[in-house]
Amino acid sequence: SQTIHQWPATLVQPVGSPLSLECTVEGTSNPNLYWYRQAAGRGLQLLFYSVGIGQISSEVPQNLSASRPQDRQFILSSKKLLLSDSGFYLCACHSLNEKLFFGSGTQLSVL
Amino acid sequence: AQSVTQLGSHVSVSEGALVLLRCNYSSSVPPYLFWYVQYPNQGLQLLLKYTSAATLVKGINGFEAEFKKSETSFHLTKPSAHMSDAAEYFCAVLPYGDSSYKLIFGSGTRLLVRP
Repeated sequence: SQTIHQWPATLVQPVGSPLSLECTVEGTSNPNLYWYRQAAGRGLQLLFYSVGIGQISSEVPQNLSASRPQDRQFILSSKKLLLSDSGFYLCACHSLNEKLFFGSGTQLSVL
Repeated sequence: AQSVTQLGSHVSVSEGALVLLRCNYSSSVPPYLFWYVQYPNQGLQLLLKYTSAATLVKGINGFEAEFKKSETSFHLTKPSAHMSDAAEYFCAVLPYGDSSYKLIFGSGTRLLVRP
């Protein structure tokens, strides 16, 4: 079965610092991968979507970027964090005939 | 564009009482519909999904949801609430014909269960 590893679980970063969140998937190959953000009191917003290595679609304009250097690795990055980047970030995975499967999330606080 | 509306950001019930969480979608063509649950500081777990088969869908943990096309609704119910049901619940829609599986989520409803 699919497993998503997402780290770190919590992160506190100062404004203006860089960011790198990593997500790796096990138990499947060639999945679609997703980064969602959940701001306090709000629903989930899709940030990035990838159908394969090096293929990234940005769903909303923002201060973040994503990369997929390997089939089962998805990275969320920023060169300079803003206060508004605070939130709970979730990586998700979908393979053919499977459900959308979520990682355990990273709570990011930008101070 | 497709949207999902969850009425009530917070719902409070007594243990043993009926749970009803509301979800309405906007679409002229019935989409696929989902309910997810999120426990504190965790990812989302799929409770159940509707994919145009039976309109009454049974999920895990005793939850079920009924698809009503005439009302564009997909409300989540459980006959008797348990303390362990306290969590945040998200309704989501996958637009018909969308092969990318980019779900559109509602804003969530936090369920509180009183002893």
